Amino acid sequence: DAGITQSPRHKVTETGTPVTLRCHQTENHRYMYWYRQDPGHGLRLIHYSYGVKDTDKGEVSDGYSVSRSKTEDFLLTLESATSSQTSVYFCAISDNIMNTEAFFGQGTRLTVV
Amino acid sequence: QKEVEQDPGPLSVPEGAIVSLNCTYSNSAFQYFMWYRQYSRKGPELLMYTYSSGNKEDGRFTAQVDKSSKYISLFIRDSQPSDSATYLCAMSAQGAQKLVFGQGTRLTINP
Repeated sequence: DAGITQSPRHKVTETGTPVTLRCHQTENHRYMYWYRQDPGHGLRLIHYSYGVKDTDKGEVSDGYSVSRSKTEDFLLTLESATSSQTSVYFCAISDNIMNTEAFFGQGTRLTVV
Repeated sequence: QKEVEQDPGPLSVPEGAIVSLNCTYSNSAFQYFMWYRQYSRKGPELLMYTYSSGNKEDGRFTAQVDKSSKYISLFIRDSQPSDSATYLCAMSAQGAQKLVFGQGTRLTINP
């Protein structure tokens, strides 16, 4: 398995609180991604990074921010959690721009109450 | 209209059957086509990818891409109960830096 670890694996938080999810990789891949997965929507891209301190928005970025200060770590922050952000969050890594071999973490199940 | 359309199923077939999973897409710039398998409560895992049109085979799995019709398929031969999972198609364009996913087809292989 690719060396990619997400933490925490499960989290329950209250509406309005900030939440940070962590993705850690040991593959030294350049590209890192955060997706959310919801029934009926599949995987949707939140933010991605193409290098240290280089990030960009995906299709569902509102309410989320990211940071990448080291190659191996990509953090996703929900600035003020809302119930609509209840979802399963996946981190992915890739060593090429076309994502032909993207590897996914095990996911973080986030519930906002 | 979504860029990538995939029938969510569920699809249920007997063990040993040939399974056909499909996606259509609207963006003619897509050149890289991937299939992922996702078991319940796990992350997606890459099965195979294909560049441009044509076929690619890996064991019991065959991926087909027809760019003229904007249609891709994954065939599973001699299906096994262990193939029961959600199958996601994904696509990317040259230099796009990101994948676009279909919503996944839930497949069950019955012993």
